[in-house]
Amino acid sequence: ETGVTQSPTHLIKTRGQQVTLRCSSQSGHNTVSWYQQALGQGPQFIFQYYREEENGRGNFPPRFSGLQFPNYSSELNVNALELDDSALYLCASSLARGHYGYTFGSGTRLTVV
Amino acid sequence: GESVGLHLPTLSVQEGDNSIINCAYSNSASDYFIWYKQESGKGPQFIIDIRSNMDKRQGQRVTVLLNKTVKHLSLQIAATQPGDSAVYFCAEGGSGYSTLTFGKGTMLLVSP
Repeated sequence: ETGVTQSPTHLIKTRGQQVTLRCSSQSGHNTVSWYQQALGQGPQFIFQYYREEENGRGNFPPRFSGLQFPNYSSELNVNALELDDSALYLCASSLARGHYGYTFGSGTRLTVV
Repeated sequence: GESVGLHLPTLSVQEGDNSIINCAYSNSASDYFIWYKQESGKGPQFIIDIRSNMDKRQGQRVTVLLNKTVKHLSLQIAATQPGDSAVYFCAEGGSGYSTLTFGKGTMLLVSP
């Protein structure tokens, strides 16, 4: 059984650019959630996808968007990058909507300069 | 790997001691609570969970206590080992969509 895989592991972007982060969910999991973790802080919920539809969103602006594909993998897109977007982006998959049994990936470290 | 523990409260213990990590949660409507362990360069790893209709739950070497009156959660680790060194987060759920609200975290340092 494979876990959650995220790519890339590290990324450096310039302010104003756009970025796409990718996540492969654990086998058998159909729900994917994305979290942002600033240095020294706990993860903050960005949004959740269930069966290719957004299923809830945290307090993040519209320039944060996502997709989920038929194989339940997911992408997080951030437009017009700002310096404060520098963080560890975590993807977590779970068996179903409403199920808290998350498996987290190791994250993508994004640095915006 | 990068540090997740910058400027976090820190608990330093000796190997073999019992450790207690505390957490105050924010939402009285939360009905599910989880403790996670996060090592440097890794994502959070599930340790133990508890539902709001319980006040104590035990796992292997770990116990979670829930006090809903004062919105307080604690994680007790028995016979702490150097491999337990990590940042520990409490998280609360129940506000919908199976989303979790994480606390700020505590760094546990275990000396041999």
